[in-house]
Amino acid sequence: DADVTQTPRNRITKTGKRIMLECSQTKGHDRMYWYRQDPGLGLRLIYYSFDVKDINKGEISDGYSVSRQAQAKFSLSLESAIPNQTALYFCATSVAGENGEQYFGPGTRLTVT
Amino acid sequence: AQRVTQPEKLLSVFKGAPVELKCNYSYSGSPELFWYVQYSRQRLQLLLRHISRESIKGFTADLNKGETSFHLKKPFAQEEDSAMYYCALRMASGGSYIPTFGRGTSLIVHP
Repeated sequence: DADVTQTPRNRITKTGKRIMLECSQTKGHDRMYWYRQDPGLGLRLIYYSFDVKDINKGEISDGYSVSRQAQAKFSLSLESAIPNQTALYFCATSVAGENGEQYFGPGTRLTVT
Repeated sequence: AQRVTQPEKLLSVFKGAPVELKCNYSYSGSPELFWYVQYSRQRLQLLLRHISRESIKGFTADLNKGETSFHLKKPFAQEEDSAMYYCALRMASGGSYIPTFGRGTSLIVHP
């Protein structure tokens, strides 16, 4: 089945470390997104990409960077992890056009100690 | 700037009771609105969108432009409806579509 996958699913890291979260999709969608989910704050957009050469900052991009290596791959990096980046991170995809539906990955639970 | 407000963090009801999860938005243009659901240990998935005017799992939502609302309703809640619900707004920005999510409402349906 066409799907959105994320690796790793869980990660514990220390303050100051660089970490990369990866997202792959087999849906053939052009658009990919990274969100973080925090209790009481919902989903907040970190970065989004509408095609391989297009990268845009979202609401909370500070402390994060992304790379769109291919249409199917969109990676999120934390340059120097800090404890308040502890959260659940979701990747999502959507097709260009007016449908609007986003398809989410299973999430990566990141803990920064 | 667009904004989505879900005023209730938690909604607790008994099985068979009516449910209304509130969503209000602020956006100066023409909005597209969605409800997503996240069941325990599962990924977020689309529940319904306003342009489809559909009923999914007994849930409906009507876009009220005068009140800038898109409340999610179900006449008789079931235990399996317990989940996190997110209202989302999509706007057109220079021809692109940037989604914004509310903070979510946790629905608990008691037996």
